[in-house]
Amino acid sequence: DTGVSQNPRHKITKRGQNVTFRCDPISEHNRLYWYRQTLGQGPEFLTYFQNEAQLEKSRLLSDRFSAERPKGSFSTLEIQRTEQGDSAMYLCASSLNSPLHFGNGTRLTVT
Amino acid sequence: AQSVTQPDIHITVSEGASLELRCNYSYGATPYLFWYVQSPGQGLQLLLKYFSGDTLVQGIKGFEAEFKRSQSSFNLRKPSVHWSDAAEYFCAVGPDSYGQNFVFGPGTRLSVLP
Repeated sequence: DTGVSQNPRHKITKRGQNVTFRCDPISEHNRLYWYRQTLGQGPEFLTYFQNEAQLEKSRLLSDRFSAERPKGSFSTLEIQRTEQGDSAMYLCASSLNSPLHFGNGTRLTVT
Repeated sequence: AQSVTQPDIHITVSEGASLELRCNYSYGATPYLFWYVQSPGQGLQLLLKYFSGDTLVQGIKGFEAEFKRSQSSFNLRKPSVHWSDAAEYFCAVGPDSYGQNFVFGPGTRLSVLP
């Protein structure tokens, strides 16, 4: 069990640029989740995959956000035309049933 | 909709003192309940979970939690706090009725005095 891996750990970008984050889940886990966490808050659900199928998306996930999980392995989360309000920690988690196992997150700063 | 409240935003205790962090939830069925801990700049680590059975569950690092259905609570306890326990603690419930989403509380920040 090598744990959930997220890259990069930190990303600083200018407003209007596109960014992409990657998540490598625990290998036998079929479910993969993306959460967003702002300072002083708990994680907020963004989206969830079961294998390669994206089964649920939050209303928080605007049209500028897209997530993929090709072949049911790693996942990417892309944010287009970033805004300052997108600055947050983006957490990935995976599970086989319960509970969730989290990565260390990608901290995004939009300047 | 499911929700989780953690009434205490910040708690300070002295090292060696006992600790109780409160968690209340709203859930339509029998919930799965979790406590996670997060150190600054890190992801969340699972402390313990409740699915069914014995309402007092033991976790890692000497933590325990008690499920009380009548009070819709799942409070986290530790008899003697160590300085390394200083962190943010999150209570979570799930999955929700729509699928597999887990809902997290806003967190309680624990500070430990030497």
